[in-house]
Amino acid sequence: DAGITQSPRYKITETGRQVTLMCHQTWSHSYMFWYRQDLGHGLRLIYYSAAADITDKGEVPDGYVVSRSKTENFPLTLESATRSQTSVYFCASGLEHDTQYFGPGTRLTVL
Amino acid sequence: GESVGLHLPTLSVQEGDNSIINCAYSNSASDYFIWYKQESGKGPQFIIDIRSNMDKRQGQRVTVLLNKTVKHLSLQIAATQPGDSAVYFCAENMRGVTGGGNKLTFGTGTQLKVEL
Repeated sequence: DAGITQSPRYKITETGRQVTLMCHQTWSHSYMFWYRQDLGHGLRLIYYSAAADITDKGEVPDGYVVSRSKTENFPLTLESATRSQTSVYFCASGLEHDTQYFGPGTRLTVL
Repeated sequence: GESVGLHLPTLSVQEGDNSIINCAYSNSASDYFIWYKQESGKGPQFIIDIRSNMDKRQGQRVTVLLNKTVKHLSLQIAATQPGDSAVYFCAENMRGVTGGGNKLTFGTGTQLKVEL
C-alpha cells in the first residue's frame, strides 16, 4: 500500500548540474502533477500530465522537463539547476476533476 | 488573475474548542473545492472536499461549508486536538476551463496552532 512515493527525499546539488526527481504512484491515477512549495508562494504547479505521453505546462515550467512514458511514473528533471530552484517539490496524482493525493516531498538545495 | 486566498494566516485555539478556517475564492466557475492539511515536513494530506452542488459536507470531526453567493469556503474542526496543529490549505478546481483539466489553484495556507 505504497500510494505515492518520491525519491530522493533530500538532495543537495550544485548550480549547473542536472537533477532528476522521481515520482511513482500505485493507484493507476490518470493525472499526475509536480508542484514546488516556497515560503510566501504556497504550492505552484510546474507541470502536469493527463495520461501517459501527455504532458502540459503549469504556472512555473521554465527550467524543468518532464516525461511520462508509463502511467505510474512522472519524473521531473532540472536540466541545469539554479539557486532559484532550491525548494520543496511535491508530486501528486489523481483522477479527472477529483482530489489530488500528494507524495511526501523532495527537499532540493542548489548550492 | 483568479486566486484562492485565506483570511487569516494564523489561528490559535484552545484544545477542545472548535476551529473555523476561512477561504475566499474569486472564480465563480470553480465547481470543486478541497481542504488539505500539511504538517511540518510532510506533504499536503486530503481532509475533505465539496462540489458546487452542495452547501455542506461533513466528515469525521470536520465540516466544510460552501457559500457560492459570496464565494466563501470554510473548514470547521470540532473539538480541536493538538494533532490538528498544521497548515490548512483550500484549493479550487475549475471544470470546463480550457486547458484546466484537473488543475487546482491553492491558497497560501492558514497555520492552526492548538494551545493546551
